[in-house]
Amino acid sequence: AQTVTQSQPEMSVQEAETVTLSCTYDTSENNYYLFWYKQPPSRQMILVIRQEAYKQQNATENRFSVNFQKAAKSFSLKISDSQLGDTAMYFCAFRVGIQGAQKLVFGQGTRLTINP
Amino acid sequence: DVKVTQSSRYLVKRTGEKVFLECVQDMDHENMFWYRQDPGLGLRLIYFSYDVKMKEKGDIPEGYSVSREKKERFSLILESASTNQTSMYLCASSPFSGGGHMGTDTQYFGPGTRLTVL
Repeated sequence: AQTVTQSQPEMSVQEAETVTLSCTYDTSENNYYLFWYKQPPSRQMILVIRQEAYKQQNATENRFSVNFQKAAKSFSLKISDSQLGDTAMYFCAFRVGIQGAQKLVFGQGTRLTINP
Repeated sequence: DVKVTQSSRYLVKRTGEKVFLECVQDMDHENMFWYRQDPGLGLRLIYFSYDVKMKEKGDIPEGYSVSREKKERFSLILESASTNQTSMYLCASSPFSGGGHMGTDTQYFGPGTRLTVL
């Protein structure tokens, strides 16, 4: 069975700092996808960034980037120049395969607070 | 923009009641999902559906059933609510991912329904 582990239940940084959220996963599959989702307080969950396992290049989306270490089964999220609006729950998620109904396995979540 | 709506933001029910949670998406997505979110456990998949009238069990289907009579609507049913079903329930949808197109695999989430069973 695939599992996803986020070892940091809560994190807190000052505005404009860089913060890294950790995620590890376990799978015997070779073809899979990894995601970071963000859930702001009282707002809907949205996709932050995705990574295909067959791509060696780390994905980036503006201030968000990942450090994907396939051999170590690690997928961390780095937020640069953090902003107050980055305060949210962050979930790492994993999906096997390409086709099908796209079942996601989620980690436990990390509550990130950006302080002014 | 994709819109996923859920019938209620907050719901309070009594033990033993039959509870219906409704989810509607407006983007003609084939796939729909129901999750429950609990502190320290993240999101866990209850049921999902990849087509009208089709359903598959997720990781924690016990005590729940689902219905998908129309493509845009996916209902979660608690046949006899219990206190351990107090939770946040999230619905999501996504388009069909055949052909391996990464751009089609994003799940779009609704705002959630916080259900309290007394």
